[in-house]
Amino acid sequence: DAGVTQSPTHLIKTRGQQVTLRCSPISGHKSVSWYQQVLGQGPQFIFQYYEKEERGRGNFPDRFSARQFPNYSSELNVNALLLGDSALYLCASSFRGSSYEQYFGPGTRLTVT
Amino acid sequence: ELKVEQNPLFLSMQEGKNYTIYCNYSTTSDRLYWYRQDPGKSLESLFVLLSNGAVKQEGRLMASLDTKARLSTLHITAAVHDLSATYFCAVPLSNSGYALNFGKGTSLLVTP
Repeated sequence: DAGVTQSPTHLIKTRGQQVTLRCSPISGHKSVSWYQQVLGQGPQFIFQYYEKEERGRGNFPDRFSARQFPNYSSELNVNALLLGDSALYLCASSFRGSSYEQYFGPGTRLTVT
Repeated sequence: ELKVEQNPLFLSMQEGKNYTIYCNYSTTSDRLYWYRQDPGKSLESLFVLLSNGAVKQEGRLMASLDTKARLSTLHITAAVHDLSATYFCAVPLSNSGYALNFGKGTSLLVTP
């Protein structure tokens, strides 16, 4: 079975621009979570979606938004990019089992110049 | 606010030696996760600990969970170079959800 997939792999944007990142969960997984990992830090939770509804939101500004589609894939959108948004953006999918284990995708490396 | 603290943050150890990484967290949780991350790569799940007293072992790594002390340990036995990576522990932001709060990570370097 394919794991979590994310696109694009790398992205370079200019300050003030907007970006959309995409994630496809493992087949059968209905929950998708997004994390931001700045170099040298642990991942920080941004959003969690389950069955197309937002179920959690981290401490990120309103410039960050996300949605989940009927096929459970997800998009993360960031508006008005700042230099500080440069990071590895990780998507994780989960199956609603007892462990709630999250399986992470390869990530999208975003560089804002 | 849930805090997850790991120590040490940096660890250089010789091959063949043993060491323990500690993960403390500030609120009650019955689940704890350990992940490994190689440079420039994503997170690889190592262990899922689901109850007090849980112990899991895989190769040279063993993880345990003490929910009363809010402490998890990752013990490395007879380290080898291939274990060089960054190790993260993570605790759910709420017991009913999937979102995780990660520690800052322990960067491990195993040298000959």
